[in-house]
Amino acid sequence: GENVEQHPSTLSVQEGDSAVIKCTYSDSASNYFPWYKQELGKGPQLIIDIRSNVGEKKDQRIAVTLNKTAKHFSLHITETQPEDSAVYFCAASIRRGADGLTFGKGTHLIIQP
Amino acid sequence: EPEVTQTPSHQVTQMGQEVILRCVPISNHLYFYWYRQILGQKVEFLVSFYNNEISEKSEIFDDQFSVERPDGSNFTLKIRSTKLEDSAMYFCASNDVKDSPLHFGNGTRLTVT
Repeated sequence: GENVEQHPSTLSVQEGDSAVIKCTYSDSASNYFPWYKQELGKGPQLIIDIRSNVGEKKDQRIAVTLNKTAKHFSLHITETQPEDSAVYFCAASIRRGADGLTFGKGTHLIIQP
Repeated sequence: EPEVTQTPSHQVTQMGQEVILRCVPISNHLYFYWYRQILGQKVEFLVSFYNNEISEKSEIFDDQFSVERPDGSNFTLKIRSTKLEDSAMYFCASNDVKDSPLHFGNGTRLTVT
């Protein structure tokens, strides 16, 4: 089955700086890669996703890049703000309709004021 | 904005007892999911449900687990005889069509003593 590795487990950056979180996946058939943000006491919230026919996607301060050959994808957050502090999870799936996502172990992002 | 709601927010039960976790997915969604997150660990897929039947299940989803959509709005997860290792956050999720983002509820914290 699919295996998703995520690094780093904790990332501390100064407010205003950029943060990058990286994930690798094992199954070359995977074609859908979402990123979720989880705040304390809440469920994961989708922040951005990318499909395998696209190499990069951007939404304001958030961007995701995908390298299918190397089987890795990354989340980039620019101009970080205190409210960006949370746990971020990458995930991957083979989309056949009602399929499950395989999640990474999460990155605790801490924005230092 | 419509959201996935889960009840209860916290459930404490004794080992060997049965528990039912309840979810109300977003009303026009057709695909339903249960995930779990053991404290401090990654989110793990349990089961997906479409058209009144299980579409996919993980190795975690053994004979102790069952899901049901008893009416037009609720989606439940039953654990028949709870074990200590079932203690976790259980998240319900839903989406409307293939390849659309998953919407997660805020979870039920299950504590088995």
